[in-house]
Amino acid sequence: EIVLTQSPGTLSLSPGERATLSCRASQSVSGSYLAWYQQKPGQAPRLLIYRASSRATGIPDRFSGSGSGTDFTLTISRLEPEDFAVYYCQQYGSSPTFGGGTKVEIK
Amino acid sequence: QVQLQESGPGLVKPSETLSLTCIVSGVSIRTYYWSWIRQPPGKGLEWIGYIYYSGSTNYNPSLNSRVTISLDTSKNQFSLNLSSVTAADTAVYYCASGGGKHDYWGQGTLVTVSS
Repeated sequence: EIVLTQSPGTLSLSPGERATLSCRASQSVSGSYLAWYQQKPGQAPRLLIYRASSRATGIPDRFSGSGSGTDFTLTISRLEPEDFAVYYCQQYGSSPTFGGGTKVEIK
Repeated sequence: QVQLQESGPGLVKPSETLSLTCIVSGVSIRTYYWSWIRQPPGKGLEWIGYIYYSGSTNYNPSLNSRVTISLDTSKNQFSLNLSSVTAADTAVYYCASGGGKHDYWGQGTLVTVSS
């Protein structure tokens, strides 16, 4: 099983700032099959990024993903008020697993 | 517009079987893979397993012995059975499209395991 470790656990930022979230895998993720999701309280997760760097349909271009192998990053270029949420990475190159999440909160 | 809706009991007794159904609308279940994912209260996401329309399945190794996912193409729905439940199985259960990336999700249903 591939273990995904997300850091930091919590990120305190102000609207307009840049957010950089990390996801590290315990072994190489096959084919860069790595996705990022956003989850707000009481809601289902929403797909943001798949295949490490491809934006899902309707996702604003302030969200971008990068990385390969064992190290992946989600960047939000300028935080909007609606971006404060919990973010999860997921690998699906082998039996799928999720990271523990990063909470982006208002500073 | 693809929509998924979970249904099933909100309370299950310990040692019994949790059974949920996901009704899919807007697309034939004969496309894609279909998954179940859960989230204990206040915690992160856990993949449970997926099924392809052919009937082939893949389950989380940690749950493999207790999980069965099946589908009913005539009703355009798929189901989850989780046997011998304990309090640790208390969670919001989501159905979702895809066996890898999940584009579409149900709203989730809270299942509590308690006597």
